[in-house]
Amino acid sequence: EPEVTQTPSHQVTQMGQEVILRCVPISNHLYFYWYRQILGQKVEFLVSFYNNEISEKSEIFDDQFSVERPDGSNFTLKIRSTKLEDSAMYFCARTGLAGGPSYEQYFGPGTRLTVT
Amino acid sequence: AQTVTQSQPEMSVQEAETVTLSCTYDTSESDYYLFWYKQPPSRQMILVIRQEAYKQQNATENRFSVNFQKAAKSFSLKISDSQLGDAAMYFCAFHKITGNQFYFGTGTSLTVIP
Repeated sequence: EPEVTQTPSHQVTQMGQEVILRCVPISNHLYFYWYRQILGQKVEFLVSFYNNEISEKSEIFDDQFSVERPDGSNFTLKIRSTKLEDSAMYFCARTGLAGGPSYEQYFGPGTRLTVT
Repeated sequence: AQTVTQSQPEMSVQEAETVTLSCTYDTSESDYYLFWYKQPPSRQMILVIRQEAYKQQNATENRFSVNFQKAAKSFSLKISDSQLGDAAMYFCAFHKITGNQFYFGTGTSLTVIP
């Protein structure tokens, strides 16, 4: 299975700034997911995205977060006004080609976000 | 709500030996999937093995096997003939039949001693 690419690999930003994290899957993938892992803690689900709409989101995914797929290819996670506690690894995941069951998720290498 | 518990924050094993990582979970679902993911220092999440709850037979992938006890809600991972490359963080995860999200445990850090 082709891997998911995430950019940047590491992002440093100041508190209050907006950040956009990008996920570059193969164009015919339909389901995408964002997860967060605060250092030393477990991986937590943020949101799932299907057919250009949010299909499920967790309590963590508040109004500070948004997702979109603006150009039909890149899948982005935007944090509007970053807080120190947003510092974490952010993983994008996708299902297999042409959809597939949501339990078959393939993770990208992650973006390390550091908020100072 | 689903919860996944990994009670061993750290484990170590001698190279070529066998180690078992524990995982328990809580759910009211009757059918679901269970997974073990490996996270090496690169932080990439790599699928190790998957178990469907409706299958009684324990899943096996080469040196990796699970002991799935549905009634006890237990899902342990056995790594045989441990190799240095097995050193990583291991996460147990649960996925409902419906829905989109994984529920992860807190992880077990495995050290392989040469």
